[in-house]
Amino acid sequence: QVRLQESGPGLVKPSETLSLTCNVSGGSISNSYWSWIRQPPGKRLEWIGYIYYDGITDDYNPSLKSRVTISLDASKTHFSLKLISVTAADTAVYYCARLAHFYDTNGHYLHDAFDIWGQGTVVTVSS
Amino acid sequence: EIVLTQFPGTLSLSPGERATLSCRASQTITNSHLAWYQQKPGQAPRVLIYGVSSRATGIPDRFSGSGSGTDFTLTISRLESEDFAVYYCQQYGRSPQTFGQGTKVEIK
Repeated sequence: QVRLQESGPGLVKPSETLSLTCNVSGGSISNSYWSWIRQPPGKRLEWIGYIYYDGITDDYNPSLKSRVTISLDASKTHFSLKLISVTAADTAVYYCARLAHFYDTNGHYLHDAFDIWGQGTVVTVSS
Repeated sequence: EIVLTQFPGTLSLSPGERATLSCRASQTITNSHLAWYQQKPGQAPRVLIYGVSSRATGIPDRFSGSGSGTDFTLTISRLESEDFAVYYCQQYGRSPQTFGQGTKVEIK
């Protein structure tokens, strides 16, 4: 069974770069989309972006696109999030998650769901 | 982006009662691209429903989803103790995918 585990600094200074890693264990990283989602204190979940297992196909939330990069390690055992120029507004619980795609019997795409999540890691932006 | 508004904000019910949670979208959601998640304190969300009405693997049949267009509903037919949690709807029909602000189902 695939399991995800986030790691990285819990405290980042304003204007610096937030870097997190999500380790994928118990299964293959292939044929899946790998996402980051965050939840600021008391606010709704916010999708940050995803990368496909090919390491090339990606998509980002336009609200963060200019500051964020999601990458896949060459060993394909983990993927990473980099968010530059952070402010207090980036304080949140950060989750990594697998974005599962569902297809019909003809192989046509039907639906998405974030079906596996990491436990989340708290990141505070403060000097 | 599509804004999802959930109501009520809090639902106070007793075990065994029926829970009806609503999610309204600012634009029509096409192809039934709407999901529901459950989140308990200190835990990551868990997918319950995708495609408006398809239950995810291992989700009991007391959870059901319905709706179309801009109005969607999650129904829990008979609340059990482990169902008291926060529930989020999510649309994935148009990027960026977005979440509602959540409905808390609490014990009355």
